[in-house]
Amino acid sequence: AQSVAQPEDQVNVAEGNPLTVKCTYSVSGNPYLFWYVQYPNRGLQFLLKYITGDNLVKGSYGFEAEFNKSQTSFHLKKPSALVSDSALYFCAVRDGWDSGGYQKVTFGTGTKLQVIP
Amino acid sequence: EPEVTQTPSHQVTQMGQEVILRCVPISNHLYFYWYRQILGQKVEFLVSFYNNEISEKSEIFDDQFSVERPDGSNFTLKIRSTKLEDSAMYFCASNPTGPTEAFFGQGTRLTVV
Repeated sequence: AQSVAQPEDQVNVAEGNPLTVKCTYSVSGNPYLFWYVQYPNRGLQFLLKYITGDNLVKGSYGFEAEFNKSQTSFHLKKPSALVSDSALYFCAVRDGWDSGGYQKVTFGTGTKLQVIP
Repeated sequence: EPEVTQTPSHQVTQMGQEVILRCVPISNHLYFYWYRQILGQKVEFLVSFYNNEISEKSEIFDDQFSVERPDGSNFTLKIRSTKLEDSAMYFCASNPTGPTEAFFGQGTRLTVV
């Protein structure tokens, strides 16, 4: 079974500082990893994904994530946080790639990012 | 940019009533999903739909739930007799074939009173 853990309920960071939101995963095959962001009273917006290739993937709004197979982690990072980055961030995983395109994922519990002015 | 649209954005219903949540997936997508998020909790998978039938469902998706794609564009989630614990944000998602992410709608907030 696929699972993902986000160990921090909340991360506080000062504006302009680098941020990291942690995610670890568990799959039996090759992981297929995503980050989504949820702003207050809004839906889930896709940020970035890892399928294969470079361990550092770049996504929307200046975010990037580093895939680390040995540590089974996929931490979300940004070099300089903005107040507008304050939101709920979800890591999600799919165990392997379905060649037909079925993309049911399992979400983590979410991490609330608070960027302090 | 194409997007998944959901209506209504907020629905209030009395316990025991039937509700239908509506979604219009992106037009060339083949796979459709419903997820829900109870306030303050994680996003949970409910059901997936492909080729006009349910391909997978979770233990949450009991006999009170059903899905339909009645006209080739809409994708609906019906709850026959709502319970207080059905109060949640319901997200529709879809994706085309291939190694891509699922695209989520803005959600429908269901409040059962």
